[in-house]
Amino acid sequence: EAGVAQSPRYKIIEKRQSVAFWCNPISGHATLYWYQQILGQGPKLLIQFQNNGVVDDSQLPKDRFSAERLKGVDSTLKIQPAKLEDSAVYLCASSLGLSNSPLHFGNGTRLTVT
Amino acid sequence: AQKVTQAQTEISVVEKEDVTLDCVYETRDTTYYLFWYKQPPSGELVFLIRRNSFDEQNEISGRYSWNFQKSTSSFNFTITASQVVDSAVYFCALSEAQGAQKLVFGQGTRLTINP
Repeated sequence: EAGVAQSPRYKIIEKRQSVAFWCNPISGHATLYWYQQILGQGPKLLIQFQNNGVVDDSQLPKDRFSAERLKGVDSTLKIQPAKLEDSAVYLCASSLGLSNSPLHFGNGTRLTVT
Repeated sequence: AQKVTQAQTEISVVEKEDVTLDCVYETRDTTYYLFWYKQPPSGELVFLIRRNSFDEQNEISGRYSWNFQKSTSSFNFTITASQVVDSAVYFCALSEAQGAQKLVFGQGTRLTINP
């Protein structure tokens, strides 16, 4: 089966600019996650979708980050305006959504904010 | 709140040595899942194992083995006869057992296997 697809692979922007990341989950996976992984740290959950509804966005900095999954399939994560501390790898993951369903991760988008 | 601690930031061993990666967790849930993921230099997170909190049996898969001890809230991972291809960052993670999984990750242990 095809894995979780993410693009772009790398992105360099200046602070205060905006950026968007795209994720295409594994076909049939109801649950989609965005994680932020700062260099040297473990991934931190930003937002979790179940189909096209948000399940948990408690750790999403909503003043600058937004995410949507309009048709319950693909998702985009946007940052506007970006700050230096947003430099990280943004990982998308998907799962069938059951309690015993493992998460499958994409390769991530590495964002550098200068 | 849930928390996972991987005290070993970096480990370096020579090929064929055995190595153990430590993981200690905190949770108020009575049922939960524990995981190990591998992150090679390419960046993707590769699922290795999931353990239910009710199942304290140790597990072995080839050169990999996992030791779950609920009494000490630990879920350690041992690689036997390590190989250069085992070099990666390894993450331990915790999730509540209800609903879709929501992983809380440790800080990771960078494992380097030298030839």
